[in-house]
Amino acid sequence: GIQVEQSPPDLILQEGANSTLRCNFSDSVNNLQWFHQNPWGQLINLFYIPSGTKQNGRLSATTVATERYSLLYISSSQTTDSGVYFCAVVQLGGTSGTYKYIFGTGTRLKVLA
Amino acid sequence: GAGVSQSPSNKVTEKGKDVELRCDPISGHTALYWYRQSLGQGLEFLIYFQGNSAPDKSGLPSDRFSAERTGGSVSTLTIQRTQQEDSAVYLCASSHPNGLYNEQFFGPGTRLTVL
Repeated sequence: GIQVEQSPPDLILQEGANSTLRCNFSDSVNNLQWFHQNPWGQLINLFYIPSGTKQNGRLSATTVATERYSLLYISSSQTTDSGVYFCAVVQLGGTSGTYKYIFGTGTRLKVLA
Repeated sequence: GAGVSQSPSNKVTEKGKDVELRCDPISGHTALYWYRQSLGQGLEFLIYFQGNSAPDKSGLPSDRFSAERTGGSVSTLTIQRTQQEDSAVYLCASSHPNGLYNEQFFGPGTRLTVL
């Protein structure tokens, strides 16, 4: 099945620094999302981005579907950005009607004050 | 309601007992998803409902797991004869009816502990 890998697995930043998180996937996908899981476990949508580039405040994301990767950029990081960042991809099974939603392994980010 | 709600928030059970977990999606969302997250691990997709269509059950980890969605709204995930490896946080999400490609909104989860 499809493999979804994220890098780096762990990241420590000083407040104010910028960072880039990467998500690689091994097969074509129908959709890709980025999530932030806060320290209390709540998952929050960041981007729904099967292709192209989107920006939301200090965060932006780019997916290059033909090259099977997506990048999440965090600028001017804040302590509230700490948590785990997951990417997830969707594969539809066409005539078989199957639906697969696969999460990456996550990047654990800690932003220091 | 304003968001996806799940109940109970915590459940402690003995090995071998059955448990039912409940998910109330955002009103008007026709797609509903169940996931689980084991301690310190990533997220595992379990099952997906779209409207009244039969769900794709291929993600369920064993035949002890089943899920229903009544009236296209509330869903229950049932685990029979629970095992210690079933201990995890079970998350539910829903998405807008304009297609499964739209963003998912997650509930707070149910933390299941099997003793």
